[in-house]
Amino acid sequence: KAGVTQTPRYLIKTRGQQVTLSCSPISGHRSVSWYQQTPGQGLQFLFEYFSETQRNKGNFPGRFSGRQFSNSRSEMNVSTLELGDSALYLCASSSGPGADTQYFGPGTRLTVL
Amino acid sequence: EDQVTQSPEALRLQEGESSSLNCSYTVSGLRGLFWYRQDPGKGPEFLFTLYSAGEEKEKERLKATLTKKESFLHITAPKPEDSATYLCAVLGFNKFYFGSGTKLNVKP
Repeated sequence: KAGVTQTPRYLIKTRGQQVTLSCSPISGHRSVSWYQQTPGQGLQFLFEYFSETQRNKGNFPGRFSGRQFSNSRSEMNVSTLELGDSALYLCASSSGPGADTQYFGPGTRLTVL
Repeated sequence: EDQVTQSPEALRLQEGESSSLNCSYTVSGLRGLFWYRQDPGKGPEFLFTLYSAGEEKEKERLKATLTKKESFLHITAPKPEDSATYLCAVLGFNKFYFGSGTKLNVKP
């Protein structure tokens, strides 16, 4: 069974630009969560989607948004990038909302210059 | 406040030197406690899920235990390939809470 895939794996952007990251969950999984990981803050929860609906949201500004499609694939978007947005963005999938184990993808490394 | 605390932040061991990592939590409505291993630049890799106090899980040189307030990840006779950051996460009512991790370095 294929694992969680994330694209792209690496991104370099400049301040003020916007970026879209993509996540394909494990086949059959319908819940997708997004996290930001930085050396100083650790893993910070961004949001969770299930059946195309946002179920939970972390404490991030409105520049961070996401969506989920009918095939459970998810995207997250960051607008007006800031230097502090440089991080590893991780996607995790699980079979259902807030249930059981989350399986992580390899992450997208975003660098903002 | 719901939170997960891991200690120590970093741990250096000689190959074969057994030790334990700690994860303490104050999360309401515990529905599960999870251990992950993360290598540099990669996503966390799932290791164990524990659901109730007294439960234990083992995998190769790793053994995870759970009490009402904390979990331990015991590493027996570690090898250099066990070097990684170990993350603990707790599932509350509807949200995961992650600790900041313990960075383990095993010297040959």
